[in-house]
Amino acid sequence: GAVVSQHPSWVICKSGTSVKIECRSLDFQATTMFWYRQFPKQSLMLMATSNEGSKATYEQGVEKDKFLINHASLTLSTLTVTSAHPEDSSFYICSASGGAASLIGGYTFGSGTRLTVV
Amino acid sequence: DQQVKQNSPSLSVQEGRISILNCDYTNSMFDYFLWYKKYPAEGPTFLISISSIKDKNEDGRFTVFLNKSAKHLSLHIVPSQPGDSAVYFCAASPYLPGRNNAGNMLTFGGGTRLMVKP
Repeated sequence: GAVVSQHPSWVICKSGTSVKIECRSLDFQATTMFWYRQFPKQSLMLMATSNEGSKATYEQGVEKDKFLINHASLTLSTLTVTSAHPEDSSFYICSASGGAASLIGGYTFGSGTRLTVV
Repeated sequence: DQQVKQNSPSLSVQEGRISILNCDYTNSMFDYFLWYKKYPAEGPTFLISISSIKDKNEDGRFTVFLNKSAKHLSLHIVPSQPGDSAVYFCAASPYLPGRNNAGNMLTFGGGTRLMVKP
């Protein structure tokens, strides 16, 4: 079945540094990828929609200069958290449109990245 | 304003019995509904979906019921198994996901943690 690979699965970084998270569709082309954020015991909140070859579309309240998204190819989207602060600590998840799940309406999600900023 | 609500944060069920997870929505524009299953530190996995033209969709042990007039849907798992223990998210969209970048219109509920006891 369709697989979305997300790396790293967890990362600890110092406050003020930047962290890059990668999301790859392994066996299908994803023209569109989505980035979500999940706080503990809360729902998934869409941060941005990433389209291959164009600028990402950010949801209201999400700082585009802080959360840089690049979707340079049909199989790779990256999210860079710039100048990270402790309040950026969260679980970040990507999903992709395409693959077998999309045939019946579902999206394929990556395994998520636990970011801890100290 | 939460457009998709899962009012039960947790549910405990005995193995072999039925698990019923509920979801309510307020936006009458929602036309497509999905259920995802999520294990800790992993991304959500698509489980089952239903469009508004149906009131029931069944896939093995999983059945989703939709009551459009009540703006309510439920996921039934029978018989429940310990491996079903996870957090279940319902999600809703005005469009069939995969069309018109509908992923950016996917709204998630807060999730229900299901625990199936052996």
